[in-house]
Amino acid sequence: EVQLVESGGGVVQPGGSLRLSCAASGFTFDDYAMYWVRQAPGKGLEWVSLISKDGSDTHYADSVKGRFTISRDNNKNSLYLQMNSLRSEDTAFFYCAKALRSGTLYSNFDFWGQGALVAVS
Amino acid sequence: DIVMTQSPDSLAVSLGERATINCKSSQSVLYSSNKKNYLAWYQQKPGQPPKLLISWASTRESGVPDRFSGSGSGTDFTLTISSLQAEDVAVYYCQQYYSMLHTFGQGTKLEIK
Repeated sequence: EVQLVESGGGVVQPGGSLRLSCAASGFTFDDYAMYWVRQAPGKGLEWVSLISKDGSDTHYADSVKGRFTISRDNNKNSLYLQMNSLRSEDTAFFYCAKALRSGTLYSNFDFWGQGALVAVS
Repeated sequence: DIVMTQSPDSLAVSLGERATINCKSSQSVLYSSNKKNYLAWYQQKPGQPPKLLISWASTRESGVPDRFSGSGSGTDFTLTISSLQAEDVAVYYCQQYYSMLHTFGQGTKLEIK
């Protein structure tokens, strides 16, 4: 059974930093690109970042570029999101998501974690 | 970036009736080499993460009831629920995965009339 479990959320002051983690299990982690998506309370989904299966290729939404860094450790089956210079508008639930198709960045998402809340205040 | 625009923002439909949600992309998401539309639909219920319903604009995922169907090509897409059930109350999102930035529509809230 595929499981994605986010951790590391919390309350942080504007300008502060936080690191989210996503522990993956139930699939061959290093076969799939991984993603972060966020959702401000009561709002819609916003795609944040992606990372290729080997970690060599990363991309970011304009709203977080230069402040957030996505990474992964395939030995630990884990995905990360380092968030710096946080702003109030970054307050959201952050979901990690797994690519449906292996070996490509151009995929939709078949499994999502339950989300981690980041509150910047 | 490709902008995804859904309509309407909210929709109320009677049980057993048809619900139709539209999604328009600011540029084509049809990849010419494989003739596939890089468009997905998700359902999100309160307090839950999104659930994938449809890939490639019209391919229903395993376990998704056949009352859900997707159609369209290029820049205009539709999600149809043929006979609304109470458990279909949710917010529905389209997403393009044609470009590297896999943008979502703003969502359509579906309620029972």
